[in-house]
Amino acid sequence: EVQLVESGGGLIQPGGSLRLSCAASGFKVSSNYMTWVRQAPGGGLEWVSVIYSAGDTYYADAVKGRFTISRDNSVNTVYLQMTSLKAEDTALYYCAKGYTYAYDAFDIWGQGTLVTVSS
Amino acid sequence: QSALTQPRSVSGSPGQSVTISCTGTSSDVGGFDYVSWYQQHPGKAPKLMIYDVSKRPSGVPDRFSGSKSGNAASLTISGLQAEDEADYYCCSYAGRYTRVFGTGTKVTVL
Repeated sequence: EVQLVESGGGLIQPGGSLRLSCAASGFKVSSNYMTWVRQAPGGGLEWVSVIYSAGDTYYADAVKGRFTISRDNSVNTVYLQMTSLKAEDTALYYCAKGYTYAYDAFDIWGQGTLVTVSS
Repeated sequence: QSALTQPRSVSGSPGQSVTISCTGTSSDVGGFDYVSWYQQHPGKAPKLMIYDVSKRPSGVPDRFSGSKSGNAASLTISGLQAEDEADYYCCSYAGRYTRVFGTGTKVTVL
């Protein structure tokens, strides 16, 4: 079964760091483009970052310079390292897989992991 | 990277059709044919409904259709059903490997 499971969220103080994980099963993260999307409480979806099969990475302006996306092919997992966290980074963070038949769409999503930035 | 503009809510009776608009700019919606739509039920992860403006993934009912004209895209749900009540988000590729989501629309089945 194709599945994504996120973990690593929690309560963190402003200025702190956190690493989110997205464990994939049923497909190889190295062969697909993978993304992180977040959703603030009661809010809409916001694109955060993407990593392509070639390893190139891109970020939304709101997180550029603070977040880093990476992957470990040996454990089939994608990561999001978050530093200098702000209150506005509070959100449910989803990991999603790029749809094979589309240039830019995401067909498999995890259940999300909640990040709360508060003192 | 400003969010695409969607109506806050739309509603319709069972069997009717509703259309959700998604307005962007020439730098996103108008510049690329890479608009996708996602359905999100409360407490659930988003689900891909439409990609590449008007294509449906396998398993998505043909009641869902997408289109684009200029800087605006649309999602139409024909033959509205109770299970279609959800939040819907458009998403557009915005160049330089970035993308932007819409503000979201709540669809209510009356």
